[in-house]
Amino acid sequence: QKEVEQNSGPLSVPEGAIASLNCTYSDRGSQSFFWYRQYSGKSPELIMSIYSNGDKEDGRFTAQLNKASQYVSLLIRDSQPSDSATYLCAVSASGTSYGKLTFGQGTILTVHP
Amino acid sequence: SQTIHQWPATLVQPVGSPLSLECTVEGTSNPNLYWYRQAAGRGLQLLFYSVGIGQISSEVPQNLSASRPQDRQFILSSKKLLLSDSGFYLCAWSVWSSWWQETQYFGPGTRLLVL
Repeated sequence: QKEVEQNSGPLSVPEGAIASLNCTYSDRGSQSFFWYRQYSGKSPELIMSIYSNGDKEDGRFTAQLNKASQYVSLLIRDSQPSDSATYLCAVSASGTSYGKLTFGQGTILTVHP
Repeated sequence: SQTIHQWPATLVQPVGSPLSLECTVEGTSNPNLYWYRQAAGRGLQLLFYSVGIGQISSEVPQNLSASRPQDRQFILSSKKLLLSDSGFYLCAWSVWSSWWQETQYFGPGTRLLVL
């Protein structure tokens, strides 16, 4: 059973701080990694994808991937109250001909003013 | 640009009743389509996926079924709902940026409550 584990949370940070969300996965053959943001009562929204080791930056978001350690993280700089949501880590499954994703349970982030 | 629609947005159904949820995608052709369920307090569970018209694969055994009668239409059905079918049902479509890089985007979802 391929698994994706996220830091349990909930995570609470003050406005303007850096929020760090972590995810580990068990499928060594995984090639694609995604972070989705899900506001309460809404559907998941893609915020970052990463495929190669290292960092990928998009605005205030930075995704970090370390395939050797089977670890992917998301940093949110200058956190805003509007960043308060559940963040889902998703990892592609190896050995499939379609985009099967395994999702973590999610980390609830609260940014307080 | 691509748009994905789901309806209804919310649904309350009695146990044992049938179910039909619909998903349509605009602005793309021959997408991979997916049905997920998110039960309260639980993660996203893949139910079905489809790579083309009439092609359906099931990920988990259950009393649900899926059909894809048209290229951009994906339907989730049940003949008799169970209490455990309650949840947030999400349709997703995907785009390939390379032969191995596929990204999924979710529709707005249907919240189903079975009583």
